[in-house]
Amino acid sequence: TQLLEQSPQFLSIQEGENLTVYCNSSSVFSSLQWYRQEPGEGPVLLVTVVTGGEVKKLKRLTFQFGDARKDSSLHITAAQTGDTGLYLCAGSNYGQNFVFGPGTRLSVLP
Amino acid sequence: DSGVTQTPKHLITATGQRVTLRCSPRSGDLSVYWYQQSLDQGLQFLIQYYNGEERAKGNILERFSAQQFPDLHSELNLSSLELGDSALYFCASSAGLSSYNSPLHFGNGTRLTVT
Repeated sequence: TQLLEQSPQFLSIQEGENLTVYCNSSSVFSSLQWYRQEPGEGPVLLVTVVTGGEVKKLKRLTFQFGDARKDSSLHITAAQTGDTGLYLCAGSNYGQNFVFGPGTRLSVLP
Repeated sequence: DSGVTQTPKHLITATGQRVTLRCSPRSGDLSVYWYQQSLDQGLQFLIQYYNGEERAKGNILERFSAQQFPDLHSELNLSSLELGDSALYFCASSAGLSSYNSPLHFGNGTRLTVT
């Protein structure tokens, strides 16, 4: 079974600060996704990365897939209160369904 | 709005009882997935159906069962409920056979409380 770990488990920051959260595994993934889940809602897909070393940007969010395709990071610049939520990473190997990590719960305070 | 509809939104029931959760997938999606989310276990995959047939099975207990109907809606049946079954249950849908190459769209979940 491929397992994903995420760190930190909880993060509380002030609006305007920068932050990075991590997703790690001992397994190689051919594809990795990041989701954001807001309270009372289901997870929403933010990005999919498939190439080792790949960097994708989505406004203030920067996603990186590790060179060895075992880890990923999500960096948020100038966090806003609307970024509050649970950030989940999910990994998959060719043709298989995605396996989810436990998530990082982010709270951005005004 | 993901286009995936789950009912009911909340469910409170007693231990030993049986409940049915319902999911209508996004229009055109053939796959339906069920997940359980609890504070200590994260998002756990239970089962996937594709066009009416069981496609993949995860950590689903024998007390739980699911099916997908010809109109593609799905139901998750939970029986002999225990306190530990209290959790959020999510349904997701996708167009293809696997979430690997067709994105998952999640509903807003059913919150089950077993007392």
